[in-house]
Amino acid sequence: GQNIDQPTEMTATEGAIVQINCTYQTSGFNGLFWYQQHAGEAPTFLSYNVLDGLEEKGRFSSFLSRSKGYSYLLLKELQMKDSASYLCAVKDNYGQNFVFGPGTRLSVLP
Amino acid sequence: DTEVTQTPKHLVMGMTNKKSLKCEQHMGHRAMYWYKQKAKKPPELMFVYSYEKLSINESVPSRFSPECPNSSLLNLHLHALQPEDSALYLCASSQEATSGAYEQYFGPGTRLTVT
Repeated sequence: GQNIDQPTEMTATEGAIVQINCTYQTSGFNGLFWYQQHAGEAPTFLSYNVLDGLEEKGRFSSFLSRSKGYSYLLLKELQMKDSASYLCAVKDNYGQNFVFGPGTRLSVLP
Repeated sequence: DTEVTQTPKHLVMGMTNKKSLKCEQHMGHRAMYWYKQKAKKPPELMFVYSYEKLSINESVPSRFSPECPNSSLLNLHLHALQPEDSALYLCASSQEATSGAYEQYFGPGTRLTVT
């Protein structure tokens, strides 16, 4: 079966660093994606990991450990506009099916 | 052009109506997807088209009927829907369905209300 878990909600302060965790158990693994979704809008792509390690993209970094079924998204120098839901999605063994986690609602406070 | 467009933005329909949702992309992507998203929930995959052929149907009721007329267009035909089908319907595309680090590009969605 497919099971992806993320914390439901997180709160952080403007300028701080926040780490959003994602754990997964899926029938096969073909990559893990992070998306940002503002309320009422479509998800937008943030990062992709298929090999173990850290991928850095400006203020956003994503880490993957395949042996542990674990990923995190690290957001630095938080801004108010970073308040959104962050979705972790795994591409399964057949490579066609994106399974989304429940999403983490991040609130950035002044 | 990295845009996926969807029409209409909003749709209100009765349970006996027939309507269609439309999605278009001009990025040359060969995979297109329909998702359903309820409030405060993640997107749920409904259908995947790969090279204009239906490759995944996630046990979606027959009142939802997808169609891929060509590689740029994707439709979702709706008939005899139920109030619980009210949701945001998202279309997405990616370069390939199976291999590679190809992220999905999402359209803005159609907010559907079934009365």
